[in-house]
Amino acid sequence: SQQGEEDPQALSIQEGENATMNCSYKTSINNLQWYRQNSGRGLVHLILIRSNEREKHSGRLRVTLDTSKKSSSLLITASRAADTASYFCATVRNNAGNMLTFGGGTRLMVKP
Amino acid sequence: EADIYQTPRYLVIGTGKKITLECSQTMGHDKMYWYQQDPGMELHLIHYSYGVNSTEKGDLSSESTVSRIRTEHFPLTLESARPSHTSQYLCASSGYSGTGDQPQHFGDGTRLSIL
Repeated sequence: SQQGEEDPQALSIQEGENATMNCSYKTSINNLQWYRQNSGRGLVHLILIRSNEREKHSGRLRVTLDTSKKSSSLLITASRAADTASYFCATVRNNAGNMLTFGGGTRLMVKP
Repeated sequence: EADIYQTPRYLVIGTGKKITLECSQTMGHDKMYWYQQDPGMELHLIHYSYGVNSTEKGDLSSESTVSRIRTEHFPLTLESARPSHTSQYLCASSGYSGTGDQPQHFGDGTRLSIL
């Protein structure tokens, strides 16, 4: 079964609103990464948070990690139409090198 | 954008044909990966490589095979394509890290359709 599961599966918001996506995982991790996938394209790495970190920022992105609950959230502030994409969390399991396990993704639509 | 390239982008082909999906990267990364992704779904790791002459099977069983003769090149081959192989195939690479904190860089994928 998949290591990470995103919630919600789909999200539709208006431009300017904030978008929050959640990810839960099952086993101990070294780090957790978030990726974006535009339609018909490959994945693009957004941000990485290590297991000893609780929060990280990058531009309009804010990621939190709660290892006690085995969950993470991705917040996109002041969303834009160009943020429309699928967002995936991926976990690097302990002792698994660079092996990533992906969740099912959240499909975000930002309406202009 | 990352320097990792996949060809072809789209391929529609008949059952029983031999197919090779190409993947090349110019970043000198040792680690390379192949994922299979159905539309709107999660990615499943089918093959990976730690470097030249290293290939391993991933979490999802696949009838495809891979080779790694050169660092920059990681082709995937299907000897006899079947409709069940219809999917999107994504190639990725990453630099070395003992703690797994190097991001993976993805190509734009090959969308394969077997008739």
